[in-house]
Amino acid sequence: GAGVSQSPRYKVAKRGQDVALRCDPISGHVSLFWYQQALGQGPEFLTYFQNEAQLDKSGLPSDRFFAERPEGSVSTLKIQRTQQEDSAVYLCASSSMDGQPQHFGDGTRLSIL
Amino acid sequence: DAKTTQPNSMESNEEEPVHLPCNHSTISGTDYIHWYRQLPSQGPEYVIHGLTSNVNNRMASLAIAEDRKSSTLILHRATLRDAAVYYCILRDDRNTGNQFYFGTGTSLTVIP
Repeated sequence: GAGVSQSPRYKVAKRGQDVALRCDPISGHVSLFWYQQALGQGPEFLTYFQNEAQLDKSGLPSDRFFAERPEGSVSTLKIQRTQQEDSAVYLCASSSMDGQPQHFGDGTRLSIL
Repeated sequence: DAKTTQPNSMESNEEEPVHLPCNHSTISGTDYIHWYRQLPSQGPEYVIHGLTSNVNNRMASLAIAEDRKSSTLILHRATLRDAAVYYCILRDDRNTGNQFYFGTGTSLTVIP
């Protein structure tokens, strides 16, 4: 596709369940970022990949959050034992290389009941 | 990364120019100024970026103060589709892993 694709678009889960969110970046893009956006706030950085290497995970709020990009393209953000405060929009962005503009997907809206 | 300050909200009439201000008094010499916008229910979208000189592209213009402590995003003719939250972000583009720190941005309302 032409842009960054995220799936599912919406996800509802019960507290305590595990969820997995997928990001398909623009083909060939080296850098990939995950952000979390709470209602009424700007996106907040979670983690960064350069190809398959996770170079920065300083924004992950707890050890329940885990991200991977095993082949340097598709990435998955996993949240274990979800809690209500995990409810947010999760955005993925990719860029052709560091320093270039980031292209964002439309996000996955996660609701924890 | 240095912090930016933007008004929470602004209004503009359709087909009028819009000037969105951003203060960044603690900007360092290697920080680039980036502008993104976010339409409702969409991810952020790149608008423009610059270092020292004013920049123009098909979407907007970026005017950077001589001391670089402030900048202004200029939409030359606002349309209803320009209603969005506009984020002014500083980033040192020389470094790797250069994620954005968004802040809360300016919510622009365009009045028909």
